[in-house]
Amino acid sequence: AQSVTQPDIHITVSEGASLELRCNYSYGATPYLFWYVQSPGQGLQLLLKYFSGDTLVQGIKGFEAEFKRSQSSFNLRKPSVHWSDAAEYFCAVGAGGGNKLTFGTGTQLKVEL
Amino acid sequence: GAVVSQHPSRVICKSGTSVKIECRSLDFQATTMFWYRQFPKQSLMLMATSNEGSKATYEQGVEKDKFLINHASLTLSTLTVTSAHPEDSSFYICSASPQGGGYTFGSGTRLTVV
Repeated sequence: AQSVTQPDIHITVSEGASLELRCNYSYGATPYLFWYVQSPGQGLQLLLKYFSGDTLVQGIKGFEAEFKRSQSSFNLRKPSVHWSDAAEYFCAVGAGGGNKLTFGTGTQLKVEL
Repeated sequence: GAVVSQHPSRVICKSGTSVKIECRSLDFQATTMFWYRQFPKQSLMLMATSNEGSKATYEQGVEKDKFLINHASLTLSTLTVTSAHPEDSSFYICSASPQGGGYTFGSGTRLTVV
């Protein structure tokens, strides 16, 4: 069965500091991996995705993530956080296409000014 | 890009009544749609997979008679919460997968049962 672990429930960083959100997955085959961001009471916005190819993936809003098969990880990074990045971040794994996504428990990001 | 429209965004209903939530794919055809439920400060839990023209596939523990799913066309799936109770209050989100392997999410429906 597929699963996702996001070890950090809450993270607080100062504006301008770098950010790394951790994600570990369990999946039997080559996974489709995603990072989504959710603001309170809103739907999910896709930040980036990995299907194959280059293991360093660039996304929107200056985010990037690196797929490391040996570590079963897909950590999200941003070199300089902005106050508007404060939100809930979800990592997800699936098989793509018409197959279901499994989400991690999310990481709540707080940005201190 | 692919857009999924979900309505209503918020609904308040009385206990014992039914509520219908619609999810439409606006610029692509969706043979499969997914319905998730999210409790406050928690993750998204898949409730069911909706298949156009056939019965939905429900996740373990989800009452199919309570959460009725209809996927009558390639662009519309509906979730009806029947005989709603306060414990059904939650945030419901639909999703579809356009060609390319990704997933697009609706903006969600906040259901409050009073």
